[in-house]
Amino acid sequence: DAGITQSPRHKVTETGTPVTLRCHQTENHRYMYWYRQDPGHGLRLIHYSYGVKDTDKGEVSDGYSVSRSKTEDFLLTLESATSSQTSVYFCAISEIGRNEQYFGPGTRLTVT
Amino acid sequence: AQKVTQAQTEISVVEKEDVTLDCVYETRDTTYYLFWYKQPPSGELVFLIRRNSFDEQNEISGRYSWNFQKSTSSFNFTITASQVVDSAVYFCALTFTSGTYKYIFGTGTRLKVLA
Repeated sequence: DAGITQSPRHKVTETGTPVTLRCHQTENHRYMYWYRQDPGHGLRLIHYSYGVKDTDKGEVSDGYSVSRSKTEDFLLTLESATSSQTSVYFCAISEIGRNEQYFGPGTRLTVT
Repeated sequence: AQKVTQAQTEISVVEKEDVTLDCVYETRDTTYYLFWYKQPPSGELVFLIRRNSFDEQNEISGRYSWNFQKSTSSFNFTITASQVVDSAVYFCALTFTSGTYKYIFGTGTRLKVLA
């Protein structure tokens, strides 16, 4: 199994509070991704990173920001959480020349 | 448009039946990759297979087989002699050879295998 961890695994927070989710990999892969999974939508890309300090938006990036200060960590921040951001968040990694993605265990976030 | 469609939202079968999960994709790119992932009730996403657009050979791995047909833009997944452990949500995904390997996922098919 790819060495990908996500923290926290579960979080309940109130509307308007900032939240940061962490993805950590031990595989030294270049690419990292954040997805959200919602019923009826499958997985949708929020942001991705193609190297340290290199990030770009996905299809559902509004309300989210990311940072990648070192290869192994990719942080997803909800600046001011809203109930519509209640979801399961998955991190994934992939490497140049091997375009299958490997996923972390997921973080279940509930915004009340 | 780039899109992946899994029209079957949920399928129920009885154990030992064969079942096929459909995946239809849209892309104008000539070079692309298709994937299947399994998400069991425990929630993790497990990579099953990758197929590139130049390789239309069908693949078999144990009870699993995949049928890739460019003519119909389909990449279907068949489970032979299904088992209760096959119960999961299955996702089909599409990506391209240009740099960032962003995926486009289908909405998934929930398979329930009844004992």
